[in-house]
Amino acid sequence: QKEVEQNSGPLSVPEGAIASLNCTYSDRGSQSFFWYRQYSGKSPELIMFIYSNGDKEDGRFTAQLNKASQYVSLLIRDSQPSDSATYLCAVGVNRDDKIIFGKGTRLHILP
Amino acid sequence: DGGITQSPKYLFRKEGQNVTLSCEQNLNHDAMYWYRQDPGQGLRLIYYSQIVNDFQKGDIAEGYSVSREKKESFPLTVTSAQKNPTAFYLCASGLTGANYGYTFGSGTRLTVV
Repeated sequence: QKEVEQNSGPLSVPEGAIASLNCTYSDRGSQSFFWYRQYSGKSPELIMFIYSNGDKEDGRFTAQLNKASQYVSLLIRDSQPSDSATYLCAVGVNRDDKIIFGKGTRLHILP
Repeated sequence: DGGITQSPKYLFRKEGQNVTLSCEQNLNHDAMYWYRQDPGQGLRLIYYSQIVNDFQKGDIAEGYSVSREKKESFPLTVTSAQKNPTAFYLCASGLTGANYGYTFGSGTRLTVV
């Protein structure tokens, strides 16, 4: 059973600090990795994707991938109250043509 | 603008009724998906389709049915056999394969009354 694991939270971070969200996955054949943001009552929105080991930066967001450890993370710098949401980690396995979603981590930015 | 549209936004179902949720996309995506999300829970895959006139069951297909007669459309019917249908239903679309991520519609909130 392919799994994507995330701490459900809530993760509380002071405004202006760095929020660090973590995710582990079970299938070593996974080749694509995504982070979605979901505000309460809304649908998920893709905010980052990463395919190769290392870091990928986009504005205040950095995705980090370590395939050897089967670990992917999302860093949010200079956290804002508007970053308060649930963040879903998702992992793609090409041989199955499927993306598997974690259950999400609730992030709360404290003003 | 390209996108994926779900309707209605809110839907109320009486006991024993079938209801159909609409999902339309103009992104030229081959693959479409239906998920169910319960409060505090993750996404659970109901059905998916990777090509017109073909679809597969996901993890929780019982009590649901779908059709894929057009590339743009993937309606979901919640039948009376689904005993606990109250949930947030999300439709998504994507390019075939797992490399590109999915685009989600805005969702339909179904409530049994």
